[in-house]
Amino acid sequence: EAGVAQSPRYKIIEKRQSVAFWCNPISGHATLYWYQQILGQGPKLLIQFQNNGVVDDSQLPKDRFSAERLKGVDSTLKIQPAKLEDSAVYLCASSLGTGKGETQYFGPGTRLLVL
Amino acid sequence: GDSVTQMEGPVTLSEEAFLTINCTYTATGYPSLFWYVQYPGEGLQLLLKATKADDKGSNKGFEATYRKETTSFHLEKGSVQVSDSAVYFCALKVGNEKLTFGTGTRLTIIP
Repeated sequence: EAGVAQSPRYKIIEKRQSVAFWCNPISGHATLYWYQQILGQGPKLLIQFQNNGVVDDSQLPKDRFSAERLKGVDSTLKIQPAKLEDSAVYLCASSLGTGKGETQYFGPGTRLLVL
Repeated sequence: GDSVTQMEGPVTLSEEAFLTINCTYTATGYPSLFWYVQYPGEGLQLLLKATKADDKGSNKGFEATYRKETTSFHLEKGSVQVSDSAVYFCALKVGNEKLTFGTGTRLTIIP
């Protein structure tokens, strides 16, 4: 079974530029998550989709971050404009559902450096 | 709010040593508890989980027991190998809510 795919793996941009990340979840997984992992910290949820609807985006900085999952499969996360503090690894994860013990499967992440 | 506190790293052990990584939690509800591992250059992988009190999760020689009375979920392994070198994250989930992670513990095993 193919895992969660993410691209690109690495990105370097200057502040105030825009950037987009792509994620393809495991086939059949209805729930998709985007996390931000700053160096030395645990992942923090940015947004959660159930099919193509948003379940939780309470920690998404909506003035600069946006995400979509138009057909309920793959998803893109965009930052515009980027700030220095956005330097982090952006992780995508997926799961079959959202139950209490549901396992989330993570992609390899996109490492973003903002200069 | 919900939170997870992990033993600070880095932790360095010799091969075949006994490992304990402490994890305690605070939760408003009755959480499920998880340990995820992140090997160099890879994404997070589920190592083990437990969904109710006194449950023991186990995988690859690692174990953790859900202790409601001490709000803990400590990770243990009897004899570590060099290949266990990674970052380990404790996490909790209450109902359908999001996963809340600890800050991670970097483990290095020397031959």
